[in-house]
Amino acid sequence: GNSVTQMEGPVTLSEEAFLTINCTYTATGYPSLFWYVQYPGEGLQLLLKATKADDKGSNKGFEATYRKETTSFHLEKGSVQVSDSAVYFCALSGRAGGTSYGKLTFGQGTILTVHP
Amino acid sequence: EAQVTQNPRYLITVTGKKLTVTCSQNMNHEYMSWYRQDPGLGLRQIYYSMNVEVTDKGDVPEGYKVSRKEKRNFPLILESPSPNQTSLYFCASSLRPTNEKLFFGSGTQLSVL
Repeated sequence: GNSVTQMEGPVTLSEEAFLTINCTYTATGYPSLFWYVQYPGEGLQLLLKATKADDKGSNKGFEATYRKETTSFHLEKGSVQVSDSAVYFCALSGRAGGTSYGKLTFGQGTILTVHP
Repeated sequence: EAQVTQNPRYLITVTGKKLTVTCSQNMNHEYMSWYRQDPGLGLRQIYYSMNVEVTDKGDVPEGYKVSRKEKRNFPLILESPSPNQTSLYFCASSLRPTNEKLFFGSGTQLSVL
């Protein structure tokens, strides 16, 4: 079946540091890939997505490139801010065994804390 | 404002006492789903619904029931809650089953004593 593995957290950075959160996946076929963000006390929000190999998703200074050869979708940001502190989830969408059409499979989440 | 509304926000109950968590969306979305979030496990899908009167099991359906009598509502029912159902629950919806942008509610923190 489909699965998503994210780097272990928590990740703690100083403001303006470079961020990478690793994400690798296992899936059949050609899944779409996503990053969702969860701010404290809120539900998840879509941050960015990519639907095919070599696509780059970007939003709010965050980027991730769909790498089929390495089955990865790492999240990056060149200069983080305190307001980026949140939990980040990598996810994929695709059929699994012919059921759950359009289902999202999530990674375990990575807690990011950014200090001033 | 387009939103997914869950109630209650927090709930403490005892083993075996039936409860319902409500979920409502005002975006005319076809697809709705329930997830539970547990530390180290991410989000796991409980049930989903492709449209009115169409529901199916997700990855962890045991101990839960759902219904979809109206397009906007998708309640989650725990007939006989147990402590292992203590978790943070999220309802989510999307325009179509194939539309992968999910809109999430703010969550319901459930504690079963």
